[in-house]
Amino acid sequence: EPEVTQTPSHQVTQMGQEVILRCVPISNHLYFYWYRQILGQKVEFLVSFYNNEISEKSEIFDDQFSVERPDGSNFTLKIRSTKLEDSAMYFCAARPRSGTSDYEQYFGPGTRLTVT
Amino acid sequence: KNQVEQSPQSLIILEGKNCTLQCNYTVSPFSNLRWYKQDTGRGPVSLTIMTFSENTKSNGRYTATLDADTKQSSLHITASQLSDSASYICVVSARQGDMRFGAGTRLTVKP
Repeated sequence: EPEVTQTPSHQVTQMGQEVILRCVPISNHLYFYWYRQILGQKVEFLVSFYNNEISEKSEIFDDQFSVERPDGSNFTLKIRSTKLEDSAMYFCAARPRSGTSDYEQYFGPGTRLTVT
Repeated sequence: KNQVEQSPQSLIILEGKNCTLQCNYTVSPFSNLRWYKQDTGRGPVSLTIMTFSENTKSNGRYTATLDADTKQSSLHITASQLSDSASYICVVSARQGDMRFGAGTRLTVKP
């Protein structure tokens, strides 16, 4: 069964640096999402992406963050000028086109970002 | 304010026993409610999805119920197995796509 994959599995970066987290969605999926989960806390929605543009974003997703699909397959989350509080698990999710607004989402295994 | 509250926060049961996890929400307008299983250090895996018109949905030993009037949902696990040890997360979506995650119930199944 096809899976959503994410790289790297663990990223360590220094405060102030930029990081790019990568996701390879399932090939026929058209909607993409990023979530984060700070250790011990609940999963939080960051952004959804469809047709090469952001469709929804949360208040967390400020100018520090950006998303793109540079080559039509990979889906990336860029975090500029990282802060200590950006340390978290970042999950990518994807879903097929559907009549239901938030039908089945398939999550990747996550990237653990550690900012030191 | 759109909120999702889950109880209990954690639960320990013996292998083979049944258990029920609760989810109360204030998300409005309501689109759908999902239960996810999340193993430690892994991404969530969908167990069930229910829309407004559905009040029960089963997936193997997992049965979810939904009462849209009282804004409550439950996830019942039958004949628990050691592999059921995980966090179970309730996620409620509003029609505009706003998704709200509960904090999860941490289930531990002991032999």
